[in-house]
Amino acid sequence: QKEVEQDPGPLSVPEGAIVSLNCTYSNSAFQYFMWYRQYSRKGPELLMYTYSSGNKEDGRFTAQVDKSSKYISLFIRDSQPSDSATYLCAMSETGNKLVFGAGTILRVKS
Amino acid sequence: NAGVTQTPKFQVLKTGQSMTLQCAQDMNHNSMYWYRQDPGMGLRLIYYSASEGTTDKGEVPNGYNVSRLNKREFSLRLESAAPSQTSVYFCASAQGEGRYNSPLHFGNGTRLTVT
Repeated sequence: QKEVEQDPGPLSVPEGAIVSLNCTYSNSAFQYFMWYRQYSRKGPELLMYTYSSGNKEDGRFTAQVDKSSKYISLFIRDSQPSDSATYLCAMSETGNKLVFGAGTILRVKS
Repeated sequence: NAGVTQTPKFQVLKTGQSMTLQCAQDMNHNSMYWYRQDPGMGLRLIYYSASEGTTDKGEVPNGYNVSRLNKREFSLRLESAAPSQTSVYFCASAQGEGRYNSPLHFGNGTRLTVT
C-alpha cells in the first residue's frame, strides 16, 4: 500500500464548476500538507500549504486537512480552463522531505 | 529570473551508458533535491542535499550518485543506465530544510529514455 493515495483521474468538469481533489495517507506523523500544480511539460509549483489540521483559503482555492481521518482535500471554486493541470498532494513529517501522491489530472472544459 | 535550470531537457541513452544531469539554482537556496516522476507513481526522492557539502539518500537512490558542486549546483549521475531509469527527472531547491513555509522550487525536468 502506498503511503499517499490519490485518484489519478482524469477529472473532467465544465467551466464554473466546483472541483474537489482528495488524498488519503497512512502515516499519522505527517503534519505538513501541500498541494502542487503541474502544467504539462513543466515542473510542479506550490499552490497551497497547511500545517496540521484545519482549513486554509486563498482566492478560489481552499485546502482542508482532517488528521483524524488521514484525509486532505483541495477545493477549486469557479473553475477555469486555465486550472487544467495535474494536481499533486504532498506531505511530510518535518518539512521539505516530501512524500507525493501520484497526481490527479484535471480538465476544465470551456 | 531563471530559478532552477536543468540540462539537458531530453536525452536518449543505450543500456550501460553513463550520463550526468545538471541542475543549477540562482535563488541562493540552501537545500537541493533530485526527484524522478513516473506515471502512477508520483514524484519520488532520489537524493537530496540539505546544505553545501552534504548529501543524503532518498527513497530510490540505487543506480544514482550525486555531487553538490557548490551552493548553486547539484548534479545527478547515472553510471550504467538501465531501462528502469527511463523517467522524467526533476531538480528542486528550497531556502531551508525542515521548514513548512520554505517551499520547493522545481525545474522543468529532464526527460530520459534508456533503450
